[in-house]
Amino acid sequence: KAGVTQTPRYLIKTRGQQVTLSCSPISGHRSVSWYQQTPGQGLQFLFEYFSETQRNKGNFPGRFSGRQFSNSRSEMNVSTLELGDSALYLCASSRSSGQETQYFGPGTRLLVL
Amino acid sequence: GESVGLHLPTLSVQEGDNSIINCAYSNSASDYFIWYKQESGKGPQFIIDIRSNMDKRQGQRVTVLLNKTVKHLSLQIAATQPGDSAVYFCAEKGNNNDMRFGAGTRLTVKP
Repeated sequence: KAGVTQTPRYLIKTRGQQVTLSCSPISGHRSVSWYQQTPGQGLQFLFEYFSETQRNKGNFPGRFSGRQFSNSRSEMNVSTLELGDSALYLCASSRSSGQETQYFGPGTRLLVL
Repeated sequence: GESVGLHLPTLSVQEGDNSIINCAYSNSASDYFIWYKQESGKGPQFIIDIRSNMDKRQGQRVTVLLNKTVKHLSLQIAATQPGDSAVYFCAEKGNNNDMRFGAGTRLTVKP
């Protein structure tokens, strides 16, 4: 079974731009969660989607948004990019929400200049 | 506020020795705990999990121990190998269902 895939793997943007990242979960997984990983803050939860609905949201500003499609694929969008948004963005999928093992993709490394 | 934290940021062990990585958590409502391994340039890889109704769970060469009394989680790796060198994260899932990660411990295995 193919793992979680994320595109693109690397991205360079400038301040003020917006970016869309994509995540394809493991086949059969309906829950997708997004995380931001930085050296200073570690792994921080952004949001979780299940059956096209946002189930949980972390403590991030409204510039960070996401959505999930009927095939469980998910996208996250960051608008008005700031230098501090430079990070590794990780997507994880699980069969459902709750006490389920999450499997991570390789991440998208975003650099904001 | 409540947080998930690790006692040690780095751990260096000799190949073949056993490794113990510790994690403290403070949210007594957390009921699901996971250990992940992250190698350079890769996403976190699931190692083992444990639910709050258990105090020990074993996998292949790994054992997770949960002590709810002192809110402590540990990962034991038997016969540590060079391929075990990575950053290890503990994570908890609380009552609001979001996953919270510890800071991570870098394990280095010396040949």
